Amino acid sequence: EAQVTQNPRYLITVTGKKLTVTCSQNMNHEYMSWYRQDPGLGLRQIYYSMNVEVTDKGDVPEGYKVSRKEKRNFPLILESPSPNQTSLYFCASSLSRGLGNSPLHFGNGTRLTVT
Amino acid sequence: AQSVTQLGSHVSVSEGALVLLRCNYSSSVPPYLFWYVQYPNQGLQLLLKYTSAATLVKGINGFEAEFKKSETSFHLTKPSAHMSDAAEYFCAVTLSSGSARQLTFGSGTQLTVLP
Repeated sequence: EAQVTQNPRYLITVTGKKLTVTCSQNMNHEYMSWYRQDPGLGLRQIYYSMNVEVTDKGDVPEGYKVSRKEKRNFPLILESPSPNQTSLYFCASSLSRGLGNSPLHFGNGTRLTVT
Repeated sequence: AQSVTQLGSHVSVSEGALVLLRCNYSSSVPPYLFWYVQYPNQGLQLLLKYTSAATLVKGINGFEAEFKKSETSFHLTKPSAHMSDAAEYFCAVTLSSGSARQLTFGSGTQLTVLP
């Protein structure tokens, strides 16, 4: 089944403790992206990747890192999490950068709480 | 730069009644427009998209939306609401190139369907 898989689904951590949220897609998609969803703000893009070893900042990249060593994986790293990073995170992928012919596929989300 | 505004963060309708979720956009170039749906504890799924072909777009689950350039609107409708339509709905806009990187989401509308 074609899907985007995120892990974990739920994560509670403390301020400053490094964590990684994994994202994997099995559709051979070139484009991958991370979003955070906050009430009243919709989805905001954190980082995106056009292909392997090509990553770039989105609209809210501060406090986050990503890597794209393999086409299928796009982990999100919080080196020193803070309470303002408490949010619902989504990974998404697409066959190409053009959404006219290739929709974004979303994972089921990771709910992160930083205390 | 483009932006999208969803009027009404919460909408309630009775089962069988018309669903109307409002979305207005701003874009300096002809846009691509999307509606996504998010069911509880799931990621976003594409409902429908406008990519400069027909202005009336039909999507899944009986939803449709009409692109009105003069009103800069892309409202989502369904003639008869079903209990299973209860979800959060997001309008999104990107440039006419269909760039995933440039995809901007609205703040979302929570649809409640009353029995």
